[in-house]
Amino acid sequence: NAGVTQTPKFQVLKTGQSMTLQCAQDMNHEYMSWYRQDPGMGLRLIHYSVGAGITDQGEVPNGYNVSRSTTEDFPLRLLSAAPSQTSVYFCASSRVAGVAINEQFFGPGTRLTVL
Amino acid sequence: DAKTTQPNSMESNEEEPVHLPCNHSTISGTDYIHWYRQLPSQGPEYVIHGLTSNVNNRMASLAIAEDRKSSTLILHRATLRDAAVYYCILRDPLMYNNNDMRFGAGTRLTVKP
Repeated sequence: NAGVTQTPKFQVLKTGQSMTLQCAQDMNHEYMSWYRQDPGMGLRLIHYSVGAGITDQGEVPNGYNVSRSTTEDFPLRLLSAAPSQTSVYFCASSRVAGVAINEQFFGPGTRLTVL
Repeated sequence: DAKTTQPNSMESNEEEPVHLPCNHSTISGTDYIHWYRQLPSQGPEYVIHGLTSNVNNRMASLAIAEDRKSSTLILHRATLRDAAVYYCILRDPLMYNNNDMRFGAGTRLTVKP
């Protein structure tokens, strides 16, 4: 199993550009989520999904869109990049059943810089 | 806001035990206590979780206070590879929501050779 994969590893954008961060998992997990991590801080939840066709907002959703058309993929779209979105982005997945005891698996992260 | 409080940093010597504390005074009766760690330039990885009883696995032990308002992650013999940021997180069993997996700043563990 590849686990959770994220592409690209690094990205530099100019203010106002849009892009999509890709996330895929091969563990047939229902739950997937996106976090951002700013320097010296913990992770903050952006959006999450409990299955294909179902998404919801996390703690810091503004400026980001998500969709979940398949179990495997959960892309994160930046609509109009701003310098405040410079961060490291992590995708995670887990099973839904027994939610409070399930281990979350994290991807390696995408380091995004917005100039 | 994170519902847990941890020291910003701790140091340990290699091959000695490490006790990482976490306070969670507002824990509900059904919250599970989870620990994750984040090695440099990597995503977080699961370490251990528990509800009421102490727990052991191949990575660590989790000691939970009787009133559940605090817990301690125990690394029995720290190695240089254990140098990481350790996060203590409460998980609500009722369902995923935007309060789930609230990470604070965690404890940065430095292991000295």
